[in-house]
Amino acid sequence: DVKVTQSSRYLVKRTGEKVFLECVQDMDHENMFWYRQDPGLGLRLIYFSYDVKMKEKGDIPEGYSVSREKKERFSLILESASTNQTSMYLCASSFMDREADTQYFGPGTRLTVL
Amino acid sequence: SQQGEEDPQALSIQEGENATMNCSYKTSINNLQWYRQNSGRGLVHLILIRSNEREKHSGRLRVTLDTSKKSSSLLITASRAADTASYFCATDYGDKIIFGKGTRLHILP
Repeated sequence: DVKVTQSSRYLVKRTGEKVFLECVQDMDHENMFWYRQDPGLGLRLIYFSYDVKMKEKGDIPEGYSVSREKKERFSLILESASTNQTSMYLCASSFMDREADTQYFGPGTRLTVL
Repeated sequence: SQQGEEDPQALSIQEGENATMNCSYKTSINNLQWYRQNSGRGLVHLILIRSNEREKHSGRLRVTLDTSKKSSSLLITASRAADTASYFCATDYGDKIIFGKGTRLHILP
């Protein structure tokens, strides 16, 4: 079974703190994604990566950065957390398959910024 | 926006009944997928239907796709309490996949 793990289920940080969210997958997937999920807005793509050291902006990259130093690990960084970044963050991974991008999700990290 | 839209936003049915939810989208797709999300958890892939397919089954799930109407439906037969969750359609355009806002399904005992 594909397993995608995220470093924390719940996280509470203060405004201005630097926040690291870690995601690890064990299926040698090329693609990795970070989404945030907010009520009424669904899933919105923040950043994605098709390969090591490669990153692409999604729909809402402002205020975030990412790092992919190893194939299995994709980190989301909030350089200076703000209250409007309080959200559920979901990591996903998938094979490089142009026919069908079936994504496998981690359990999510619920981040609260005070 | 290319985001798919699920309908209804929320649905409550009695256990044992069938649940139907719909997804509409705006531009041509490669395939369409349905995912389930239990409360506070990540999404789980349920089923994928390709643009050249009209219907697909998986256990108690039946998915249809009508590319002329740009719509899909997910039918869950003989619903169970464990089916209580949010269901999302995801439209795959080849260069990206976009998730809808979801249908919240509640199965009443």
